[in-house]
Amino acid sequence: AQSVTQLGSHVSVSEGALVLLRCNYSSSVPPYLFWYVQYPNQGLQLLLKYTTGATLVKGINGFEAEFKKSETSFHLTKPSAHMSDAAEYFCAARDSGYSTLTFGKGTMLLVSP
Amino acid sequence: DTGVSQNPRHKITKRGQNVTFRCDPISEHNRLYWYRQTLGQGPEFLTYFQNEAQLEKSRLLSDRFSAERPKGSFSTLEIQRTEQGDSAMYLCASSLERGTDGYTFGSGTRLTVV
Repeated sequence: AQSVTQLGSHVSVSEGALVLLRCNYSSSVPPYLFWYVQYPNQGLQLLLKYTTGATLVKGINGFEAEFKKSETSFHLTKPSAHMSDAAEYFCAARDSGYSTLTFGKGTMLLVSP
Repeated sequence: DTGVSQNPRHKITKRGQNVTFRCDPISEHNRLYWYRQTLGQGPEFLTYFQNEAQLEKSRLLSDRFSAERPKGSFSTLEIQRTEQGDSAMYLCASSLERGTDGYTFGSGTRLTVV
């Protein structure tokens, strides 16, 4: 069964600093990969996705992620953090031919002034 | 398109009571999913429907849980004889069948069992 690992339950950055949130998946066949953001007491909002094609994908709010098959990774980055980026971020994977998403445990991004 | 709507947003119930949640998906989405999220965890899959057919259920979905999607439109999730361990955020999501678009989530129903 697919599993998704997010390294670091909390990541703290200063406003303007690089954001790097890590995600690794377990399957030998690359799945579809997604990053979601969740603000307090709200549902999850899709940031970006990788299905096929270009391995560097761009999403909303200046985020991007790079799929690396050799590392089974799909890390999320943003060049310059903004206070409004403070939220919880979830990486998710969906195996081709299956319908359900498997989520990581999430990483809380804290942004200090 | 108003997105995925869930009601109620919050529910406080006494242990042993039954509760029912409702989800209205995006109208053109034929797949509907229920997930449960507890504090400090990512969402965990409970069940999903394609149109009115319930195609998959997680082992997390005990006999006290039942979900329906009559006529392939809105869905309800019922929990009977609630336990304190049922306290969680219950998330509904919908998607198109092709699946590469990801899910659209509702805002969730937060259940507190006292």
